[in-house]
Amino acid sequence: DAGITQSPRHKVTETGTPVTLRCHQTENHRYMYWYRQDPGHGLRLIHYSYGVKDTDKGEVSDGYSVSRSKTEDFLLTLESATSSQTSVYFCAISEEGTSSGANVLTFGAGSRLTVL
Amino acid sequence: DQQVKQNSPSLSVQEGRISILNCDYTNSMFDYFLWYKKYPAEGPTFLISISSIKDKNEDGRFTVFLNKSAKHLSLHIVPSQPGDSAVYFCAASGNDYKLSFGAGTTVTVRA
Repeated sequence: DAGITQSPRHKVTETGTPVTLRCHQTENHRYMYWYRQDPGHGLRLIHYSYGVKDTDKGEVSDGYSVSRSKTEDFLLTLESATSSQTSVYFCAISEEGTSSGANVLTFGAGSRLTVL
Repeated sequence: DQQVKQNSPSLSVQEGRISILNCDYTNSMFDYFLWYKKYPAEGPTFLISISSIKDKNEDGRFTVFLNKSAKHLSLHIVPSQPGDSAVYFCAASGNDYKLSFGAGTTVTVRA
């Protein structure tokens, strides 16, 4: 997966508990993203980062927070998990100035989270 | 409100025939469009992209067509092969380094 590692790959937790998902990259890319995938919705952006300590909200950021203290790590935290946050979470990375001009994201393998 | 729409949730095609996947968008500020392919239990992988200044881009069996006036793009796969069975996502971006995705189309290639 082009130097992207997500952990854990699977997690089952209970409503109200905190959960942290980790994304680690070895590509030294500037941009990192967290998406969630749900049936009928495709991939929706939760938060993204454009550098160390620089983050911004995506379209479905409520209930989530992120942190990026190092270029290689981007953490997604659910402070108090709810059943509506049961989903598959994908981390992605991208770099500036690709030859094609398009912002091509490279995705990790995903983290499946189940909130009971 | 979803800015990228894939209105066909599924497509079944015979091996060797053409697969045509469609995508519509609403944001006129989008300037790049991408297609991703996803197998079960894996992350999406990049397939092909097109800039808004072009109307066609080809890469082997995959061709993407863009109709800016209609805010519509399509992906043609010819010939379709069994390994093409997957979920295909259309995506679009402006100048803000974020991608907006459609809901996906599941393609099944029949032998």
